[in-house]
Amino acid sequence: NAGVMQNPRHLVRRRGQEARLRCSPMKGHSHVYWYRQLPEEGLKFMVYLQKENIIDESGMPKERFSAEFPKEGPSILRIQQVVRGDSAAYFCASSPLGTGVYNEQFFGPGTRLTVL
Amino acid sequence: GENVEQHPSTLSVQEGDSAVIKCTYSDSASNYFPWYKQELGKRPQLIIDIRSNVGEKKDQRIAVTLNKTAKHFSLHITETQPEDSAVYFCAASPEGGNKLTFGTGTQLKVEL
Repeated sequence: NAGVMQNPRHLVRRRGQEARLRCSPMKGHSHVYWYRQLPEEGLKFMVYLQKENIIDESGMPKERFSAEFPKEGPSILRIQQVVRGDSAAYFCASSPLGTGVYNEQFFGPGTRLTVL
Repeated sequence: GENVEQHPSTLSVQEGDSAVIKCTYSDSASNYFPWYKQELGKRPQLIIDIRSNVGEKKDQRIAVTLNKTAKHFSLHITETQPEDSAVYFCAASPEGGNKLTFGTGTQLKVEL
């Protein structure tokens, strides 16, 4: 059973470009979470999605950031018009169950975004 | 929202000694407390978790304690080994595992 997959593992963008980060959850998991980790800091929650639904986006910046988890295919975190402050490691996690039920979140290897 | 504080930020111990990392949380509705280990450049990996209906849980050399009244929980690692060296994060969630709020991490170094 493959773990959570993320690609690309490393992404370099120039200021103003768009970044697309992909996450494929573990087989059988229908809940996806995105976290951001700045250098030397902890992980910050960004968004929680189920298939075709955004459940909680309270951690997402109001502008330039969006996330989706379509019926088919991976979850995508999209950052438009990137700025240097967006440079960070972006981790995706998945779980088999949802709200109200205790369940472990399994993390992917992360995408390290560098904005030049 | 939830706020999790973690101490110490760095911890050096001699191989074979015990290590203790402490966290406090603010939201009394939090009921799930996992601990993650992250090696340099790697993904966070769950090492142990505890639910609010339990005061202590142990798994070999690792144990976690929870004091709901004081809103704090701790990670205890006994007989530390060099491979225990990593950054450890505590987290809390008021929804049984969703929207984890993480502490700022503890860099544990086990010296020979």
